[in-house]
Amino acid sequence: DQQVKQNSPSLSVQEGRISILNCDYTNSMFDYFLWYKKYPAEGPTFLISISSIKDKNEDGRFTVFLNKSAKHLSLHIVPSQPGDSAVYFCAASEGSNYQLIWGAGTKLIIKP
Amino acid sequence: DAGVTQSPTHLIKTRGQQVTLRCSPKSGHDTVSWYQQALGQGPQFIFQYYEEEERQRGNFPDRFSGHQFPNYSSELNVNALLLGDSALYLCASNGDRADGYTFGSGTRLTVV
Repeated sequence: DQQVKQNSPSLSVQEGRISILNCDYTNSMFDYFLWYKKYPAEGPTFLISISSIKDKNEDGRFTVFLNKSAKHLSLHIVPSQPGDSAVYFCAASEGSNYQLIWGAGTKLIIKP
Repeated sequence: DAGVTQSPTHLIKTRGQQVTLRCSPKSGHDTVSWYQQALGQGPQFIFQYYEEEERQRGNFPDRFSGHQFPNYSSELNVNALLLGDSALYLCASNGDRADGYTFGSGTRLTVV
C-alpha cells in the first residue's frame, strides 16, 4: 500500500524549460512534505519543503505547490539546467510521526 | 563542515551472517535515522535514535537493531542476514524538522 506515489519513473526536459515533477499521496494526515534530489552514488539531498498550512513555497529556481484537496504536490524547476539531471523523491510525514514516507522517485533528464 | 559520514561504503556478506553499519551525524545534529533503499524504490524507514534511545521504529523485524552513542553517532546491526536484506542503507541526521534531513552517501550491502 503506497501512501506516496510518483507515477512518472522518468521525465525528459529541454535545458532552459520548466520541469514539473508530480507526487500524489493518500494519507490525509500528512502535514509536511519534502523534495529530495539524488545523484548516483550519493545520498539524497534536501531541496525544499512545504507545510500543509501553505499551498506554495519558493526557493530560487525551485517552487513546490501543494493541493490538499487533490492530495497532490508538484515541484517546478525554472529554468532547468543540466546539473538538475538526477532522481527526485517526494516524501511526507504526519504530525509527531518521525518517519518519512517516500515515493519511488522520478528520474529527471535535462537535454542540452 | 563534514556532513553525515557512513562506513563502510560497500560490504558483501554471506546469508546468515551479521553486519554492523556505522554513521556519524552532521555537526550540530542530535537525531539519527536509518533507512533501507532497495533498487528502484524510495527509502524505507527502519528506526530513529534520539538521546541514545530508539524513538520510533518502522516495519522491520527484530533482526534489525541499533544503537546511539553519547557523541550522537549510531550503529545499525542486522542479524541472520537474508538475501532480501541486500540494499543501500542510508543514515540521516537532523536537528530541526524544518531543515530537512541530511543524508550520508549510504552503505551498499550485498548478501550472497
